[in-house]
Amino acid sequence: EVQLEESGGGLVQPGGSLRLSCAASGFTFSDHYMDWVRQAPGRGLEWVARVRNRPNSYTTEYDTSVKGRFTISRDDSKNSVYLQMNSLKTEDTAIYYCARGSRTGRDFDYWGQGTLVTVSS
Amino acid sequence: DIQLTQSPSFLSASVGDRVTITCRASQDISSYLAWYQQKPGKAPNLLIYGVSILQSGVPSRFSGSGSGTDFTLTISSLQPEDFATYYCQHLINYPLTFGGGTKVEIK
Repeated sequence: EVQLEESGGGLVQPGGSLRLSCAASGFTFSDHYMDWVRQAPGRGLEWVARVRNRPNSYTTEYDTSVKGRFTISRDDSKNSVYLQMNSLKTEDTAIYYCARGSRTGRDFDYWGQGTLVTVSS
Repeated sequence: DIQLTQSPSFLSASVGDRVTITCRASQDISSYLAWYQQKPGKAPNLLIYGVSILQSGVPSRFSGSGSGTDFTLTISSLQPEDFATYYCQHLINYPLTFGGGTKVEIK
């Protein structure tokens, strides 16, 4: 059974940093692209970042709103993907979901349950 | 950036109704269009990818169609468990944007 479990959320002050983790199990993690998607309270879904797999040199992509502040990375030996968030703003407050990119490249076929990040003074 | 516009943003319907949600892209996204269902307090769940391919385990009352810039999600006969918010997403280039969502509520 495919499972994705996020951790690391919490309350942080504006300008602060936080590192989210997503532990994967039940599939060959190294085969897949991995993504982070967020959802502000009462709002829609917003894609945040992607890290490709080893055959694609672990290259990354970011939404404009987080580029230069967030860094996505992965450790295939630990079946984990991470999101380092720096210079946090109040508008970064959201539930952050880890999602698996499918083999077709046309969807996110599994999602974690999310971890809440609150940026507030 | 490619914008996805969903309509309507809110829909009130009865059990057994046929429901149609549209998603319009600001430019051609070929067949790189997926649909997700999200229930309150839960993570999104993949329904359809590649415009019209039903994800394994998704009931056949769900279907997708369209091409280029105009796409449709149809629920042929709405069931009580289908009351949720639906999102489209494109995956043709970056950023991978989502539509604003369509909330389907009970009439």
